[in-house]
Amino acid sequence: EAQVTQNPRYLITVTGKKLTVTCSQNMNHEYMSWYRQDPGLGLRQIYYSMNVEVTDKGDVPEGYKVSRKEKRNFPLILESPSPNQTSLYFCASSLSGGSHRGYTFGSGTRLTVV
Amino acid sequence: ILNVEQSPQSLHVQEGDSTNFTCSFPSSNFYALHWYRWETAKSPEALFVMTLNGDEKKKGRISATLNTKEGYSYLYIKGSQPEDSATYLCAFRPQGAQKLVFGQGTRLTINP
Repeated sequence: EAQVTQNPRYLITVTGKKLTVTCSQNMNHEYMSWYRQDPGLGLRQIYYSMNVEVTDKGDVPEGYKVSRKEKRNFPLILESPSPNQTSLYFCASSLSGGSHRGYTFGSGTRLTVV
Repeated sequence: ILNVEQSPQSLHVQEGDSTNFTCSFPSSNFYALHWYRWETAKSPEALFVMTLNGDEKKKGRISATLNTKEGYSYLYIKGSQPEDSATYLCAFRPQGAQKLVFGQGTRLTINP
């Protein structure tokens, strides 16, 4: 089944403790992206990747890092999480950045930083 | 700052009724307009990707229209069913940008 797999689904952590949210897709998509969703706001892009070893900042990159060492994986790293990073996170992929097929989203990761 | 507005924010509709809601986006620098359906506790699923002014797309009882000159898109649901209850997201993709700019969504609830 074609899908984007995110882990974990839920995570509660403490301020400053490094964490990684994993994202993997099995569709050979070139483009992958991370979004966060906060109450009252639309999904906002954190980082994106056009292909292996090609990543760039989105609209809200502060406090996050990403890597794209393999085509299928695009982990989101929070080196020192803070409470303002409490949010619902989505990973998404598409065939290419300009694809007209729409994005395939992962199931989301609800992160709470206390 | 790119702004995508959806209205209304929430909507309650009787089963069997038809409904529609709006997405407004910048009319300049247009590349594509996406619609997604997002059920609670699931991931958003692509409904339509529209690129041309005047585009109309249909999937079952759901259809969408696009006006890029004035910067709006309508989503229509005909004969609403309880399974249509979800949040409907629209997203604007500007020319040359590798991102989607999302609206806040319209939360639709179908009352049996």
